[in-house]
This record gives sequence, C-alpha cells and structure tokens, in this order.
Amino acid sequence: QKEVEQNSGPLSVPEGAIASLNCTYSDRVSQSFFWYRQYSGKSPELIMSIYSNGDKEDGRFTAQLNKASQYVSLLIRDSQPSDSATYLCAALGRGFQKLVFGTGTRLLVSP
Amino acid sequence: SAVISQKPSRDICQRGTSLTIQCQVDSQVTMMFWYRQQPGQSLTLIATANQGSEATYESGFVIDKFPISRPNLTFSTLTVSNMSPEDSSIYLCSVEEGAGSSYNEQFFGPGTRLTVL
Repeated sequence: QKEVEQNSGPLSVPEGAIASLNCTYSDRVSQSFFWYRQYSGKSPELIMSIYSNGDKEDGRFTAQLNKASQYVSLLIRDSQPSDSATYLCAALGRGFQKLVFGTGTRLLVSP
Repeated sequence: SAVISQKPSRDICQRGTSLTIQCQVDSQVTMMFWYRQQPGQSLTLIATANQGSEATYESGFVIDKFPISRPNLTFSTLTVSNMSPEDSSIYLCSVEEGAGSSYNEQFFGPGTRLTVL
C-alpha cells in the first residue's frame, strides 16, 4: 500500500453542490495531514491542515480525519467553478519531517 | 505565511548544461525543501536543505546531479546539472512554518518551469 492514496478523478460536480475528496493512508505516515489546492500551471496552496480525529471547518472547507479507518477527507460546500483544480492530500512521514503527497484528485465544477 | 520567490520562473536549456534555481524567503526559516513535479504527476521531494548542514537527499537523487546550497536562513539554491530532457519538470521550493511545534505546515514558492531540449 502506498503511504498516501487518492483517486485521480476527475470528480465532476455541479456548481453549488458539495464536493467530497478522499484520501487514505498507511501506517507509515504520522497523524498530521494537509490538503493543498493546485491550479493548472501554479504551485500548491495549503488550504487545510488537520491533526486530530474529527472535523475541522474553515469557510466552505471541512477536513475530516478518521484515524480508525485511516482516511482523511476534504468537503467543499457550495462548490464554485473557481474551485476546479487538483487537490493534493499530504501526510507527514512518520519519524521524519518530510511530507508525503498523494497523486492528487482533479475536481471539475461545472456552472 | 512566509512570502517565497523563485528565480527564474521558467527557462529553456540545452542538453548537457546546468541551471541554478534560487529560492528567497522574506523571513528566517529553519527547514527548506526542494521538490520536483513532472508533467501530470504529483510532487516528489528531492532534498531537505537546512542552514549550516549538508542537504539530505531522497532516494534516487544525488548531490552530483542536484547540488544544493543553503548559505543562510532566507535563501537556498538548487542546481540541475548536466541536464537531459528527462529533467524537464517544475522545480519547487517550500519552507516549513511552525517549526518546533506540531504543525509542520509547508508553503510553496511559485515554481520554476524547466524545459530541456
């Protein structure tokens, strides 16, 4: 199993809907997780970090961490076409400081 | 978060030449990282650059090919040596904020898009 896994997508949702992006992880990563948004041709932008079991909300974004099932999710409420991007899930490697990235999920929000 | 700049933003280079990429941060940071993102791929860590010590390279990356300097807490360079078309990629530097805490958030520079002919 890869350390961090994501479905590559694309995930297509209509404008105004909730987009749900999922990521699973292995025992080889620690309990610190990050969601990055990357627009085409741009560098990744950190949008959420989560360290504890449960939900963390920031505006239209909610990150969810379930340690028992080893998955972390990002929900985007009221999706907008401007949310169309690739979303990268990352985890802090266990025992060291580097981030391990998933392959990213491409989100398409149609007007 | 810290403001990070990279130079050059893009370059087209000939096979066999070398390119040095600069990363400048507007505040002092302990840990800086260099990543590569090949077309359509996710990010791959090349090395970790801490001031005052040798860079730590990931498996598959060697100092002779990717020498790194870290002369102070706000600046680092990555050199891509003896380039081949396979080195065509986006090169990104990142910095970690919250060092010493549990946060370990990393923020990325704008990237350098390298094309090798």
